[in-house]
Amino acid sequence: ETGVTQSPTHLIKTRGQQVTLRCSSQSGHNTVSWYQQALGQGPQFIFQYYREEENGRGNFPPRFSGLQFPNYSSELNVNALELDDSALYLCASSMGGSGANVLTFGAGSRLTVL
Amino acid sequence: GENVEQHPSTLSVQEGDSAVIKCTYSDSASNYFPWYKQELGKGPQLIIDIRSNVGEKKDQRIAVTLNKTAKHFSLHITETQPEDSAVYFCAASTPSDGNEKLTFGTGTRLTIIP
Repeated sequence: ETGVTQSPTHLIKTRGQQVTLRCSSQSGHNTVSWYQQALGQGPQFIFQYYREEENGRGNFPPRFSGLQFPNYSSELNVNALELDDSALYLCASSMGGSGANVLTFGAGSRLTVL
Repeated sequence: GENVEQHPSTLSVQEGDSAVIKCTYSDSASNYFPWYKQELGKGPQLIIDIRSNVGEKKDQRIAVTLNKTAKHFSLHITETQPEDSAVYFCAASTPSDGNEKLTFGTGTRLTIIP
């Protein structure tokens, strides 16, 4: 059983640029959630994808968007990057609809915006 | 929305002693309370969770207690070992969030002193 894998592990962008982060969910999981973890803080919920549709969103602006593909993998896109977007972006997968609620996190993609 | 507060932010204990981390939550509808351990360079890993229909749950050296009336829950680690050193996060979620949108605390950095 493979876990959650994320790519890239690290990347550096400049203000105003766009970034795409990728996530492969754990085998058997059909739901992907994305979290932003600023340095020294707990993760904050960005949004969740289930059956290729956004299924819940946290307090993040529309320039944060995502996709889920038929194989349940997912992308997080951030447009018009700002300095405050510098953070660790975590992807978590789960078996949606099972009521089990257990999220399995990947190691994250660390984004630095200069 | 839900707000989770976590204390202390840092905790140092002698190897073999016990460690206790406490969290409070604001939304009385919350019914799922997981605890995650995050080691350097890794994503959060679920170590134990509790649902609102029970008051205590134990798994070897780790236990979690829940007081629904006071809206607080605690993590107890006994016989601490050096490998317990990490950042620990509590979280909460509600049924309306599908129990998969987690609101995290700000984390506790636990250091085990050999």
